[in-house]
Amino acid sequence: ETGVTQTPRHLVMGMTNKKSLKCEQHLGHNAMYWYKQSAKKPLELMFVYNFKEQTENNSVPSRFSPECPNSSHLFLHLHTLQPEDSALYLCASAKKSTNEKLFFGSGTQLSVL
Amino acid sequence: EDQVTQSPEALRLQEGESSSLNCSYTVSGLRGLFWYRQDPGKGPEFLFTLYSAGEEKEKERLKATLTKKESFLHITAPKPEDSATYLCAVQAPNSNSGYALNFGKGTSLLVTP
Repeated sequence: ETGVTQTPRHLVMGMTNKKSLKCEQHLGHNAMYWYKQSAKKPLELMFVYNFKEQTENNSVPSRFSPECPNSSHLFLHLHTLQPEDSALYLCASAKKSTNEKLFFGSGTQLSVL
Repeated sequence: EDQVTQSPEALRLQEGESSSLNCSYTVSGLRGLFWYRQDPGKGPEFLFTLYSAGEEKEKERLKATLTKKESFLHITAPKPEDSATYLCAVQAPNSNSGYALNFGKGTSLLVTP
């Protein structure tokens, strides 16, 4: 297993459900990111973690809750989402948070019904 | 406000028909400009970083150039396997996390045999 792995690949949830997205990187990087990709929109940065510390919260609603227990793992906990939250959620890692070369996972395609 | 605009939104080429994708940007204190390739169902894959006007980078049939206001991704004699969405991003100082990537919406390229 190499690179950045995200699970699940697809997720369908109701607005009252609670679910979590998982990301794991095997690259020895110290920075991890959550991005949201919606159709016809640019990638939106959500959260940045550097050495397990959150260094960026890009005005993300509290129904999205990130967790970074160590430099290799990143979670995004979801609760009471809205249909407009349906999107591709991408995890990325980099050597450090000021390093521009991001390595992305394949994403989780989320549908909120 | 920092902005990244990519054109065209979509491009269809015949195999062997060379063309260019454009990325124009307005940003204060550009640290770097990046090109990524994204295949359907996958996360973006890093292609190039350009740091200063006049710089050029090449990889197989792709060549990226940079001026003070825009970047071009030139595709020479494309093949069907070059079909993908090409994303441009600029990195500028960000007060929260140091440096953040601002992405454009991308250009969807289709190369037909």
